[in-house]
Amino acid sequence: QVQLQESGPGLVKPSETLSLACTVSGGSTSGYYWNWIRQSPGKGLESIGFIYYTGSVNYNPSLRSRVTISVDTSKTQFSLRLSSVTAADTAVYYCARSGSRYGSDAFDIWGQGTMVTVSS
Amino acid sequence: QSVLTQPPSASGTPGQRVTISCSGSSSNIGSNVVNWYQQLPGTAPKLLIYSRNQRPSGVPDRFSGSKSGTSASLVISGLQSEDEAGYYCSAWDDSLNDYVFGGGTKVTVL
Repeated sequence: QVQLQESGPGLVKPSETLSLACTVSGGSTSGYYWNWIRQSPGKGLESIGFIYYTGSVNYNPSLRSRVTISVDTSKTQFSLRLSSVTAADTAVYYCARSGSRYGSDAFDIWGQGTMVTVSS
Repeated sequence: QSVLTQPPSASGTPGQRVTISCSGSSSNIGSNVVNWYQQLPGTAPKLLIYSRNQRPSGVPDRFSGSKSGTSASLVISGLQSEDEAGYYCSAWDDSLNDYVFGGGTKVTVL
């Protein structure tokens, strides 16, 4: 079955760029939306944005100026870049799939999550 | 501060019925599907209820969802110890043009 796995640095310095990748195994990126969602320590979930397999993107308005999401269909991988990070960006970052038979808005497959700490 | 409002906690004894509310507005719950997620401690969220009251295979039928106007509810009928987890509601928001989540409800089995 399809599985997602996040990868990237666990520590990023303030003002630098956070870069994460999500590898899709057991399936392809075609036909689905690919999402980034984060969860600050002890807090709730926040959508960062998503990309359709064709490359069309949508970003959280509050993060739009700092976010770039891209997809590499040949590598069955999609990526997140978040620039000018601060301590407020410290969170567990999840990648997730939507657009399946469960509905366009349902995140039916999630990665295990990766903790990113912003600190000097 | 989350766009969707959930109580921070709920509890019950084994076998009891627990209801978790999720309050929103006309731009999210009022006009779009509400999905529910279960997050066991230390793990990623898992899709629990989709398309108002459908369950992915493997989700017990003691979990059910409903929606009325700008509010939604998740009911756990016959609470079990393995249901101790965080529960989140989510919907698309037509004004924000993005997905929004509730702050989460931690369910404790007494």
